[in-house]
Amino acid sequence: KNEVEQSPQNLTAQEGEFITINCSYSVGISALHWLQQHPGGGIVSLFMLSSGKKKHGRLIATINIQEKHSSLHITASHPRDSAVYICAVGRDNQFYFGTGTSLTVIP
Amino acid sequence: KAGVTQTPRYLIKTRGQQVTLSCSPISGHRSVSWYQQTPGQGLQFLFEYFSETQRNKGNFPGRFSGRQFSNSRSEMNVSTLELGDSALYLCASRRGGSDTQYFGPGTRLTVL
Repeated sequence: KNEVEQSPQNLTAQEGEFITINCSYSVGISALHWLQQHPGGGIVSLFMLSSGKKKHGRLIATINIQEKHSSLHITASHPRDSAVYICAVGRDNQFYFGTGTSLTVIP
Repeated sequence: KAGVTQTPRYLIKTRGQQVTLSCSPISGHRSVSWYQQTPGQGLQFLFEYFSETQRNKGNFPGRFSGRQFSNSRSEMNVSTLELGDSALYLCASRRGGSDTQYFGPGTRLTVL
């Protein structure tokens, strides 16, 4: 069983839609990260959370420590948001990754 | 500030050969972590170096090794390459005491 589970695996949305990607984890963590990977491989760290909620532009990330769950929301989605979104949790100086959610936003 | 750089960006090797990949972290970052990404397994943690010492190691065979130099640059070595080692190898750096990692562009290794 993976320490980190993401859903959905694949997501197709129309431009402008509100998108939610979910991440559940089974271990105690020091922090949770949301990463974005575009075709070609480059990874960008979007958020690091240890509690509550963070917002950056159209992206919002929340975490519920008690429920071991985090969500990444994208408001007013745009084709340039098309990428793989990966949830990762940090624990004991190691990182455990979800399998990623492949998002395609259609114009 | 320059980002994390990795060299080479692409590499083709044959089974049984060995390979060395290089990672230069962001200036001032003393921690460098290495990850392997494959379509089947996704991202997996290889190891982390901090101040020239391996701090953590993932679940990979001894053929995978690394080191870090006094200037925080890190190298990763894979010996006796297998077809299954074909992957994107990513390194990431972070400041001591911070959890935020900054990723390099990766080295795509193909083993034939």
